Amino acid sequence: DAGVIQSPRHEVTEMGQEVTLRCKPISGHDYLFWYRQTMMRGLELLIYFNNNVPIDDSGMPEDRFSAKMPNASFSTLKIQPSEPRDSAVYFCASSPGLAGTSTDTQYFGPGTRLTVL
Amino acid sequence: EDQVTQSPEALRLQEGESSSLNCSYTVSGLRGLFWYRQDPGKGPEFLFTLYSAGEEKEKERLKATLTKKESFLHITAPKPEDSATYLCAVQAWSGSARQLTFGSGTQLTVLP
Repeated sequence: DAGVIQSPRHEVTEMGQEVTLRCKPISGHDYLFWYRQTMMRGLELLIYFNNNVPIDDSGMPEDRFSAKMPNASFSTLKIQPSEPRDSAVYFCASSPGLAGTSTDTQYFGPGTRLTVL
Repeated sequence: EDQVTQSPEALRLQEGESSSLNCSYTVSGLRGLFWYRQDPGKGPEFLFTLYSAGEEKEKERLKATLTKKESFLHITAPKPEDSATYLCAVQAWSGSARQLTFGSGTQLTVLP
């Protein structure tokens, strides 16, 4: 298996522009997670999906952030408009999904490093 | 609110010098405790999951243990390739059950 795939790996944009990050989870995984990692706040969960349905978006910082999962093999995280404080590494992770067992493990992608100037 | 505290923040070891990393946690009900390794510029790589106090898991030079309040990652005779940031995370039974709460990590450097 190729693992979780994210694109682009690096994104540099100017303040006010729209940014779209993409993720392909591991085939057969029912859960997909979006995280953000910064030096100040570490790894924080933004939103997660179960079977393509958003379950918890309480970590989404504000209305400028939105996430979709149109099918089991693709998800996007969009920031519009972007701001310099959005600069971070954004990770996508997927999980097979049975709680309390080894199948609950989340597997992370390589991340997208976003820089907003 | 779930909390995870890792110590030390940074650790430098000589090759072959064994040590332990600590992860203290506060959670309403522990569903699982996870250890990940993260190399610079890469995503966290899964190492272990522990589900109940007293449980232990091993992988090569690493051994993870769990009590009701903390977890230890023991590194035996480390090598330079073990240098990385080690992250601990907890998953609780309450609230958004799938959420992982991460600690800030321990940056390990193993010198040759």
